[in-house]
Amino acid sequence: DAGVIQSPRHEVTEMGQEVTLRCKPISGHNSLFWYRQTMMRGLELLIYFNNNVPIDDSGMPEDRFSAKMPNASFSTLKIQPSEPRDSAVYFCASRMTGVRGNTIYFGEGSWLTVV
Amino acid sequence: AQKITQTQPGMFVQEKEAVTLDCTYDTSDPSYGLFWYKQPSSGEMIFLIYQGSYDQQNATEGRYSLNFQKARKSANLVISASQLGDSAMYFCAMRESPGGTSYGKLTFGQGTILTVHP
Repeated sequence: DAGVIQSPRHEVTEMGQEVTLRCKPISGHNSLFWYRQTMMRGLELLIYFNNNVPIDDSGMPEDRFSAKMPNASFSTLKIQPSEPRDSAVYFCASRMTGVRGNTIYFGEGSWLTVV
Repeated sequence: AQKITQTQPGMFVQEKEAVTLDCTYDTSDPSYGLFWYKQPSSGEMIFLIYQGSYDQQNATEGRYSLNFQKARKSANLVISASQLGDSAMYFCAMRESPGGTSYGKLTFGQGTILTVHP
C-alpha cells in the first residue's frame, strides 16, 4: 500500500521566493496534518484538516504560511515569502479517524533550505 | 509544562541486548493515546506502537513493547534483541481527546537517540 507521499523531497530556495510543498495522504484517510521539525523546536503541528476542512491552524507561524486541501487526496503548504528561519523538515501525515487509536502515518518529509 | 518528557538524550546498547527508552507524560484527560515513532538517519517517521489509556494490557508489536504504568504516567518503550538497524531517534508522543472528541493533536517529546553497538 502506498504511504503518505510528499514532494519535493528536497528544496533549496532563496530568501523571498515562494515555496510550495505537496502531499498526497493515504487513500481512505480522512485527516491530514502538516508538521515541522527543527533542531531547536522539535516536531510542531502547523495545521490539521479533517474531511478537507481546516480544524486547527493555531500552529501556523504567521501569515506567510498557508495550507489548502482542495480534495481528499491532495494538500499543499505554501510559504510566501520564504525566510532562512523557515528552513526545516516539513512532514505531512494522515490518519483514518477511529482506527488504531487514531494513529497518524507520516510521509518521508520535505527538507527545505532557505538561503 | 512539558506534556511529554524523554529524559534520555542518548542511549547505547549492545547488539542482541534489550533496551528501555523512557517516556513520561502529563495529562488530565481520562482518554488519551500514547505512541512511539522511530526516525532513522534517512529522516522518515515510522510508527512503532500504540497504547490506549483504557487498554488493560501493555501493547506489543514484534520486538517492541510498551511498558505502560498509568499511575506513574509513564510509557516506556522496550526493544528486545536490539539490531544494528534499530539505531535511530525515537520519539514518544501523546494524543489527548479534548472534550471527548476524536481529534487530538499529537504532542511529541524531544526524542532519544539510540545507538546499537555490534
